[in-house]
Amino acid sequence: GESVGLHLPTLSVQEGDNSIINCAYSNSASDYFIWYKQESGKGPQFIIDIRSNMDKRQGQRVTVLLNKTVKHLSLQIAATQPGDSAVYFCAENAGGTSYGKLTFGQGTILTVHP
Amino acid sequence: KAGVTQTPRYLIKTRGQQVTLSCSPISGHRSVSWYQQTPGQGLQFLFEYFSETQRNKGNFPGRFSGRQFSNSRSEMNVSTLELGDSALYLCASTLSAGDTGELFFGEGSRLTVL
Repeated sequence: GESVGLHLPTLSVQEGDNSIINCAYSNSASDYFIWYKQESGKGPQFIIDIRSNMDKRQGQRVTVLLNKTVKHLSLQIAATQPGDSAVYFCAENAGGTSYGKLTFGQGTILTVHP
Repeated sequence: KAGVTQTPRYLIKTRGQQVTLSCSPISGHRSVSWYQQTPGQGLQFLFEYFSETQRNKGNFPGRFSGRQFSNSRSEMNVSTLELGDSALYLCASTLSAGDTGELFFGEGSRLTVL
């Protein structure tokens, strides 16, 4: 039979706008969260991470916000550029001794129009 | 320094065959994880290796197996291929299994099963 594919959320913005990508995570025991960017034909690329003992972390043009109460993660991209167009994934890790095991969200397609 | 290298990048197999994929981690990285990416299921964890030992395994049938060598290079094998095994197989490395540092992904091996 025909397989049902994921219907990824999409976000379309104009160049220079700020973008906010949201993610709901599932495991309340997760203590480490990461945002990845994946361009067509490439592997995921690390953007920024945050530990569960923090609620905000800033990088270059990016900010990650963590709300553990509602298990929500967001990625804010300032002054979005066409080169930011990609699929963005949040990922969570339940900690312990193994940080190579991540649970990924479904992804959000970001399209930046010049 | 060189990134994570995966070979082959593309391959086509027929149902019932087996396939072996190779991953060379970043020099000095000792932990290697494998992920399967499909349009239907997204990014799913397969297994993680550290010091030649499997530390974690995802929810995949026994047809999926892997190993790690003393030089940290890793291979994964899929036997008795099914159409549903068509996917992008991604390898990622990090310094150690207990490190909260980022996972560095390769560009993947795209497997098509006919």
